[in-house]
Amino acid sequence: AQSVTQPDIHITVSEGASLELRCNYSYGATPYLFWYVQSPGQGLQLLLKYFSGDTLVQGIKGFEAEFKRSQSSFNLRKPSVHWSDAAEYFCAVATGAGGGNKLTFGTGTQLKVEL
Amino acid sequence: GAVVSQHPSRVICKSGTSVKIECRSLDFQATTMFWYRQFPKQSLMLMATSNEGSKATYEQGVEKDKFLINHASLTLSTLTVTSAHPEDSSFYICSARAGQNYGYTFGSGTRLTVV
Repeated sequence: AQSVTQPDIHITVSEGASLELRCNYSYGATPYLFWYVQSPGQGLQLLLKYFSGDTLVQGIKGFEAEFKRSQSSFNLRKPSVHWSDAAEYFCAVATGAGGGNKLTFGTGTQLKVEL
Repeated sequence: GAVVSQHPSRVICKSGTSVKIECRSLDFQATTMFWYRQFPKQSLMLMATSNEGSKATYEQGVEKDKFLINHASLTLSTLTVTSAHPEDSSFYICSARAGQNYGYTFGSGTRLTVV
């Protein structure tokens, strides 16, 4: 069965600093990988996804992620964090044809941005 | 883009009563929808997969008689929490997949409080 690990429960960065959120997955075949962001009391918004092709994926709000098969990782990055980026971030993996099976989520990383 | 509408956003009910939560795909047809439960400061736990025109598939440990799921059309799935108890208080989120090349789109969630 697939699994997702987000090693960092909390991360604090200063506004304007760079950010990297870690995500490792476990799955035997080609994974479909996602990053979502959740603000308090809200649903999840898709930041970006990787299905195939270029391993560096660009998303919304200036985020990007790089799929590294050799490391089973899909880390999320942003070169300059804004105060509005403070939220909970979830990495997820889907399986099945076209990623049509259920999503498995990591435990999330809470991002705090210091002004 | 794909939009999923979830209602109500908040509901308070008395112990022993039932509550229905609706999840609608507004601009696409969703043959499959997913229902999640999220405890405070935790990740999303998949409760069940809802398939249009057929019975939902429940995850292990989820009481199907307590959490009734109906997916009567390609744009609407409902979750009914029957005979609610305080321990059912939680944040419930639905999601749907717009197509093979799309990520999973989430509703904005429903905060259920059972008093």
